Amino acid sequence: EAQVTQNPRYLITVTGKKLTVTCSQNMNHEYMSWYRQDPGLGLRQIYYSMNVEVTDKGDVPEGYKVSRKEKRNFPLILESPSPNQTSLYFCASSFAIGNTEAFFGQGTRLTVV
Amino acid sequence: GENVEQHPSTLSVQEGDSAVIKCTYSDSASNYFPWYKQELGKGPQLIIDIRSNVGEKKDQRIAVTLNKTAKHFSLHITETQPEDSAVYFCAASEINTGGFKTIFGAGTRLFVKA
Repeated sequence: EAQVTQNPRYLITVTGKKLTVTCSQNMNHEYMSWYRQDPGLGLRQIYYSMNVEVTDKGDVPEGYKVSRKEKRNFPLILESPSPNQTSLYFCASSFAIGNTEAFFGQGTRLTVV
Repeated sequence: GENVEQHPSTLSVQEGDSAVIKCTYSDSASNYFPWYKQELGKGPQLIIDIRSNVGEKKDQRIAVTLNKTAKHFSLHITETQPEDSAVYFCAASEINTGGFKTIFGAGTRLFVKA
């Protein structure tokens, strides 16, 4: 089954404790991206990647890092999480050009206390 | 910065009526406009999209229109059903060989009353 898998689905952590949210897709998509969803703000793009070793900032990259060492994986790293990063996070993937439908993961609800 | 405005934020219709959601974008370089439906506890799912060289697209009960001059695009759902109740997001993307940046609207919560 074609899918985008995020882990974990739910996470509560403390300020400053590094964490990683994993994202994996099995569709051989070139393009992957991370979004955060906050009430009244919709989805805001954090980072995106056009292919392996190619990443770029979205609209709200501060406080986040990503890496794309393999085509299927695109982890989101919070080196020193803060309470304002409490949010619902979505990973998405698509073919880069031509077929641009984005497939979203199920979401990761992160709470930073 | 670039943004996408979406209205209304909440929409309540009677089953069988039509629903219209409108979006305005600011980046004139945007050339791809998808619409997503998000049900409770799930990720957004594409329902229809339109490219800048097309003015209208229809898929059964769903249609999207695009006015590039005015930078407006709209989602039309006809003969609404209770299962259409969800949050709908519009988005505007500039697709080129160098990148693929997407900006989403804030979302519209649609309630379809049976």
